[in-house]
Amino acid sequence: DQQVKQNSPSLSVQEGRISILNCDYTNSMFDYFLWYKKYPAEGPTFLISISSIKDKNEDGRFTVFLNKSAKHLSLHIVPSQPGDSAVYFCAGVGSNYKLTFGKGTLLTVNP
Amino acid sequence: DTGVSQDPRHKITKRGQNVTFRCDPISEHNRLYWYRQTLGQGPEFLTYFQNEAQLEKSRLLSDRFSAERPKGSFSTLEIQRTEQGDSAMYLCASTPGGRQPQHFGDGTRLSIL
Repeated sequence: DQQVKQNSPSLSVQEGRISILNCDYTNSMFDYFLWYKKYPAEGPTFLISISSIKDKNEDGRFTVFLNKSAKHLSLHIVPSQPGDSAVYFCAGVGSNYKLTFGKGTLLTVNP
Repeated sequence: DTGVSQDPRHKITKRGQNVTFRCDPISEHNRLYWYRQTLGQGPEFLTYFQNEAQLEKSRLLSDRFSAERPKGSFSTLEIQRTEQGDSAMYLCASTPGGRQPQHFGDGTRLSIL
């Protein structure tokens, strides 16, 4: 039973354009969500978070949107840069603040 | 500010052997988590410590797995009688608590021959 789904295994965008990564969840008990970025041979690095009482959180080039009624999140990166190329994981926060991750989306930003 | 440190980075062992991994969390982070990541999947929760107390264990953590966090500082994860299915990346994360984001180490990659 996959509680967090990232249905796009990969995404390719041009440098300077917008990258939109999507995430759906089924567990209504999640009240907090995080996005992590992962480079090969490194651990996940925290990117941005959002509480379920908000519908948007922005940090520089990164914005996360939450549609609670649709149980859907998206991460927008504007403008995309080649250094953003990585695997992006969406995670829901459950009891004891443990994270439930999606399978990830590989973002490739082409120069 | 040193990050979460994990040792070793890579462990190769024969099936049936015991292995132990170590995690040093960020100083003063009282919560410590272990996750396992297999190819094509996101990290999956294994177990969680608040200080020295192990407060939750996943069903993924069979009786061959044991974790400790003596004195609430570093943590160890031991796998006894390793099996092929144990091959994975084992990730450790720490956080001060509450809704502070978890900070991950670079993981220990376990390969079972």
